[in-house]
Amino acid sequence: SQKIEQNSEALNIQEGKTATLTCNYTNYSPAYLQWYRQDPGRGPVFLLLIRENEKEKRKERLKVTFDTTLKQSLFHITASQPADSATYLCALDGINSGNTPLVFGKGTRLSVIA
Amino acid sequence: DAGVIQSPRHEVTEMGQEVTLRCKPISGHNSLFWYRQTMMRGLELLIYFNNNVPIDDSGMPEDRFSAKMPNASFSTLKIQPSEPRDSAVYFCASSPQGAQPGNTIYFGEGSWLTVV
Repeated sequence: SQKIEQNSEALNIQEGKTATLTCNYTNYSPAYLQWYRQDPGRGPVFLLLIRENEKEKRKERLKVTFDTTLKQSLFHITASQPADSATYLCALDGINSGNTPLVFGKGTRLSVIA
Repeated sequence: DAGVIQSPRHEVTEMGQEVTLRCKPISGHNSLFWYRQTMMRGLELLIYFNNNVPIDDSGMPEDRFSAKMPNASFSTLKIQPSEPRDSAVYFCASSPQGAQPGNTIYFGEGSWLTVV
C-alpha cells in the first residue's frame, strides 16, 4: 500500500542545534517533494520544493535532500531557534507522472528549547 | 494581496445539522482544493477543482459531503447531515497552475468544525 511516514510525531532539540526531520514514502514515485510549515491554529505554509533530479536544496538555514533510491527526504534546520517550533509536513508532488494534487505526510512537531 | 479566506473559522453544531463551509481563493488562481486534517489521518484531500470544474472527488468520504464552485472566487463544502466523526479542521487551498507538478499551493487558515 502507499504510505508516507515522517520520522516521529514530535522532536525536541536544544536551541542552536541542527534539527533533522525525515520523510519516507512507499509505493509512490514523486517527481518533486515539498515541505510546509504549520503553526498551531494556522494553515500550512510552503517552505521548499526539491525536484527528483536534485540532491539538495538550500534556503537560508533550511536544507532539504531528496534520495529517490532510498525514497526519502531529509529536512534540516541549522542553528535552530525557538521560533522554528512548529509542525513540518512533507508532501509528495507529481506522483503518477500527472496532475495529481499534493499528498501530505502527517507531520513532525518540532519544539526548539531555549 | 489577500490570501485564501475561509469562513467560519470555528463552528460547533449538533449531530444531524447541516454545515456549510465557505472559501474565497486567491484572485487569479485557477485551482481550488479542499483538505481535511485530523490527528489520526493527517491532511487528506477531499476534492479539487480546476477552472471551477470538479476534477477529483474520490476523497469525499460519503454522500453526506458535497462541494460546489459556482464561480472563480467562491466555493462551498457542505455536510448534511453532520456526524461527530466529521469533527476536524477543514482547509481550503488554491494554486495558480492547478495540480501540475512543481506547483505550490496556498492554504487558508482553516475552519474548525466540532459536531456534538
